[in-house]
Amino acid sequence: AQSVAQPEDQVNVAEGNPLTVKCTYSVSGNPYLFWYVQYPNRGLQFLLKYITGDNLVKGSYGFEAEFNKSQTSFHLKKPSALVSDSALYFCAVRGGGGFKTIFGAGTRLFVKA
Amino acid sequence: DAGVIQSPRHEVTEMGQEVTLRCKPISGHDYLFWYRQTMMRGLELLIYFNNNVPIDDSGMPEDRFSAKMPNASFSTLKIQPSEPRDSAVYFCASSLSNTASPFFTDTQYFGPGTRLTVL
Repeated sequence: AQSVAQPEDQVNVAEGNPLTVKCTYSVSGNPYLFWYVQYPNRGLQFLLKYITGDNLVKGSYGFEAEFNKSQTSFHLKKPSALVSDSALYFCAVRGGGGFKTIFGAGTRLFVKA
Repeated sequence: DAGVIQSPRHEVTEMGQEVTLRCKPISGHDYLFWYRQTMMRGLELLIYFNNNVPIDDSGMPEDRFSAKMPNASFSTLKIQPSEPRDSAVYFCASSLSNTASPFFTDTQYFGPGTRLTVL
């Protein structure tokens, strides 16, 4: 069965500092991995995805994520956080040849000025 | 494109009433998903359709919930009768699968959601 774990309910970081939001997954076959962001009272917005190729994936708003097959992880990163990055971040996985995408519980990011 | 459109944005109803949520996917998309989001349970996939056909409804909580997609541009999620525990934000999302390539363009585009409150 597919599963996604986001071990941190909340991440706090100061503006200008690097940020990391963690994600690990379990899936049969090759994983398709995604990060989405949700701002208050809005739907989820796509940030980036890994399907194949380079392990480092670059996405919207300066975010990037690194696929690590041996650790089954897909952590979201940004070199310099902005206050406007404060939001709820979801990691998601699809695998096993199906089309069902499983979302993690979400990690709330607070960036302090 | 206007993106995924959901209506109503807010719905307040009384227990026992029928509730119908509506979704218009992005034109040309062939997959449509219904999700429910609550603080306790996070984001749950309820059902998804491919080319208007329901593929997986294993996430539908019980028989009170039903979903239809009569055509490529419209879907409904109905709750009858509604209960207070159904209170949540319901999202619709759509995506396009590129079957001409192994690199599926399967990014899901979410609507703004319907906030349902059942009193």
